[in-house]
Amino acid sequence: QVQLVQSGAEVKKPGASVKVSCKASGYTFTNFLLYWVRQAPGQRLEWMGWINVANDNTVYSQKFQGRVTFTRDTSANTAYMELSSLRSEDTAVYYCARGPLEQLSYWGQGTLVTVSS
Amino acid sequence: DIVMTQSPDSLAVSLGERATINCKSSQSVLSSYSNKNFLAWFQQKPGQPPNLLIYWASTRESGVPDRFSGSGSGTDFTLTISSLQAEDVAVYYCQQYYSMPYTFGQGTKLEIK
Repeated sequence: QVQLVQSGAEVKKPGASVKVSCKASGYTFTNFLLYWVRQAPGQRLEWMGWINVANDNTVYSQKFQGRVTFTRDTSANTAYMELSSLRSEDTAVYYCARGPLEQLSYWGQGTLVTVSS
Repeated sequence: DIVMTQSPDSLAVSLGERATINCKSSQSVLSSYSNKNFLAWFQQKPGQPPNLLIYWASTRESGVPDRFSGSGSGTDFTLTISSLQAEDVAVYYCQQYYSMPYTFGQGTKLEIK
C-alpha cells in the first residue's frame, strides 16, 4: 500500500534552515508529483508547491519563493523540503502528499518544525 | 490567489442528523475545457493528516462512506453529511486546485450537539 513516511520533529533557531524528508513506498516513486503543505498551529492548510519526481522540475508558492527548495533522491525513493531563514511564523506541521493528480489522496504523517530562540 | 471562504466556522449537529458545510471561492474553479470543478474536500482529525473525501467537487474518494456528498459549481460548493456519526467529528476543509497556489478554506469544526 502507498506510504509516505516523514522524518521526525525538529527544533530550530530563527535564521536557521530545516530539511524534512518524505520516504515513499508502495508505488513507483517517479510516477507521481509530490506536494508539500504546511499547517501552522490553529491555522488553515497552506500549499507550498510540488516537485516532479521524474524530472526534478519544481513549482513553489510565491510566498515561499527564494526560501524553500524541493529535492529528491530517486535511488532512495525520498523527497526533501528545505526551508531557510526560519522565523517564528514558520512553526508548523509540514506534510508531503501525493495525488493521483492534484487531488491529494495520500499524506505523510507530518513533521513538526518549531522555530524558537 | 483564489481565496476560499467556508461557512460556518463551527457547527454542532445531533447524531443521525444532516450536516452541511459551505465553501465559496473568490473566482470560478470550473474549467471550461474539461467542464470539471477543481474543488476538493478534506476531513482532518486531531493529530492526523487531512483525509481526502471528495474531489472534482462531487466525486467520492475510494473508501469514503456514501453519507458524504459534495455538490456545487463555479464558486459555490457544499459538503453534506447525510446522517452524522460520532466518528465524523473533525475539521473539514475545502481546497481549490484550479490555480496555483492551491488554496484551502479556513476550516469548519464539526461537533456533536
